[in-house]
Amino acid sequence: GIQVEQSPPDLILQEGANSTLRCNFSDSVNNLQWFHQNPWGQLINLFYIPSGTKQNGRLSATTVATERYSLLYISSSQTTDSGVYFCAVRGSNYKLTFGKGTLLTVNP
Amino acid sequence: KAGVTQTPRYLIKTRGQQVTLSCSPISGHRSVSWYQQTPGQGLQFLFEYFSETQRNKGNFPGRFSGRQFSNSRSEMNVSTLELGDSALYLCASSLAGGLLAKNIQYFGAGTRLSVL
Repeated sequence: GIQVEQSPPDLILQEGANSTLRCNFSDSVNNLQWFHQNPWGQLINLFYIPSGTKQNGRLSATTVATERYSLLYISSSQTTDSGVYFCAVRGSNYKLTFGKGTLLTVNP
Repeated sequence: KAGVTQTPRYLIKTRGQQVTLSCSPISGHRSVSWYQQTPGQGLQFLFEYFSETQRNKGNFPGRFSGRQFSNSRSEMNVSTLELGDSALYLCASSLAGGLLAKNIQYFGAGTRLSVL
């Protein structure tokens, strides 16, 4: 099956800093989503981005499908951005395969 | 539009018991998927249902089963619970369609199961 690797595994920032999270995947994909998991466990959709670039406020994402990676950018980070960020991909079947996530801590 | 609803939110069971978790998808969504999240294994796919049919299954023992009803609501059942089944169980729904269709999955808040 598809392998998904996320880096870095942990990231600590001061409020106001920018960050880049990376997701590498091992095969071509039909679907790529970025999620933020809040402290209560809910997975919040950030982007559906199998290719190209999207922006939503302080967040943006880019997927280069031909090179099998995606990047999530967080600008001017806030303490509420803390949590785990997951990349998930879907290849030739109906399941999403998740990476192990990046634990982001934003300190005031 | 209401989101994905999972019940119950928390559950405590003992080894050997069985448990049934419920998931109501977003209105109009016909696909429901289930995932297990544990600290050691991360998020793992259990199974996916579309129009009451299981389309895909992950690598879990037969103690884990599911079904989908005609209104797209889904249940998953775990029989003969083991300590290792303690996890957050997440349900996701999507409009579904073919493999190449835009297929955004939306997740519920999860059911946290503790097996004692």
